[in-house]
Amino acid sequence: AQSVTQLGSHVSVSEGALVLLRCNYSSSVPPYLFWYVQYPNQGLQLLLKYTSAATLVKGINGFEAEFKKSETSFHLTKPSAHMSDAAEYFCAVSNTGFQKLVFGTGTRLLVSP
Amino acid sequence: DAGVIQSPRHEVTEMGQEVTLRCKPISGHDYLFWYRQTMMRGLELLIYFNNNVPIDDSGMPEDRFSAKMPNASFSTLKIQPSEPRDSAVYFCASGSRGGEVRTLSYGYTFGSGTRLTVV
Repeated sequence: AQSVTQLGSHVSVSEGALVLLRCNYSSSVPPYLFWYVQYPNQGLQLLLKYTSAATLVKGINGFEAEFKKSETSFHLTKPSAHMSDAAEYFCAVSNTGFQKLVFGTGTRLLVSP
Repeated sequence: DAGVIQSPRHEVTEMGQEVTLRCKPISGHDYLFWYRQTMMRGLELLIYFNNNVPIDDSGMPEDRFSAKMPNASFSTLKIQPSEPRDSAVYFCASGSRGGEVRTLSYGYTFGSGTRLTVV
């Protein structure tokens, strides 16, 4: 069975600081990995995804993530946090790139001035 | 493109009543998914359809839950009878395998959700 573990239910950063949200996955087959963002009272929006091409994936809003097979990780980073980045972030895994997505428990990013 | 449209946005109902949640997927998408989000259990896949046919309903919690997709542009999730523990945000998502897998346009698009409160 596939799963993802997001370390830290809350992460606090100052505006302009580096954002690092951690995700480790478990999969018996080469995984497809995703990061989604959820703003209050909204649905989930895809930030980026890994589909076995380049291991460093660039997404929207300046976010990127690096797939590290040896560490079974897919951490999300952004060099400089903006107030508008405050939201909940979900890591997800799929064995087909489609069909069933298994989500992590989410990490709430708080950005202070 | 109006995106995935869910209705109602909020629903408050009494225990024992029937509840029907509705979803209109993006035109041309051939996959439709129903997810439930709660604080305790996070995001759970309830069921998904491909070309209007249910493919995997293993996440449907019990027989009180049923989902249908009578055509490519409409799906419903019904709970009968409803219970307080069904209170959650229910998301519909649609997607298509057509297109370039490496682009962000490939994959799911989520609706804004229906917040269900059963009292």
